[in-house]
Amino acid sequence: DAMVIQNPRYQVTQFGKPVTLSCSQTLNHNVMYWYQQKSSQAPKLLFHYYDKDFNNEADTPDNFQSRRPNTSFCFLDIRSPGLGDAAMYLCATRADDRGSSYEQYFGPGTRLTVT
Amino acid sequence: AQSVSQHNHHVILSEAASLELGCNYSYGGTVNLFWYVQYPGQHLQLLLKYFSGDPLVKGIKGFEAEFIKSKFSFNLRKPSVQWSDTAEYFCAVEEYGNKLVFGAGTILRVKS
Repeated sequence: DAMVIQNPRYQVTQFGKPVTLSCSQTLNHNVMYWYQQKSSQAPKLLFHYYDKDFNNEADTPDNFQSRRPNTSFCFLDIRSPGLGDAAMYLCATRADDRGSSYEQYFGPGTRLTVT
Repeated sequence: AQSVSQHNHHVILSEAASLELGCNYSYGGTVNLFWYVQYPGQHLQLLLKYFSGDPLVKGIKGFEAEFIKSKFSFNLRKPSVQWSDTAEYFCAVEEYGNKLVFGAGTILRVKS
């Protein structure tokens, strides 16, 4: 089945130790998103790629970076995780096509713990 | 920027009760509206969506939502809930640039 895959599902990192979360998709969608979701809060968009064009949200901290080496993969790098970065990180994809459903397809998320 | 309000954070219902979850967004114009559901341990998935046309939209599993432009609302309804509807429900508005703005979510627990 076509889907959005996130690895790992659970990640524990130490305060200040860089960590990378990965997302892959078999949907061949050209738009990919990263969201941060803290407990009992709404998912919050960090950035998105439209093909290779990177779009950062104005309030996304510089500590968060992203890479998209090809259509299928997208990575979220947290350069120096703080305790406040502990959250669920969601990857989503969307086809940008006038005939598409405009729906975003979500992966299962990676739960990041910072110790 | 848009903001989305969901009126209740926790709702508890008995099976067969009717459900209505409120959702309001902050300003008008042309909007695309969504309800997503997250079942325990699963990923977010689309319940239904509104882009244009009939303001009463039907989704999966017997859910429906009504877009009322004058009230900036997009409330979710189901006439008779089941235990399997226990989940967290998110309302979302698509902003310019194909970005979703989510509400804080409503956790629904259905007692069997």
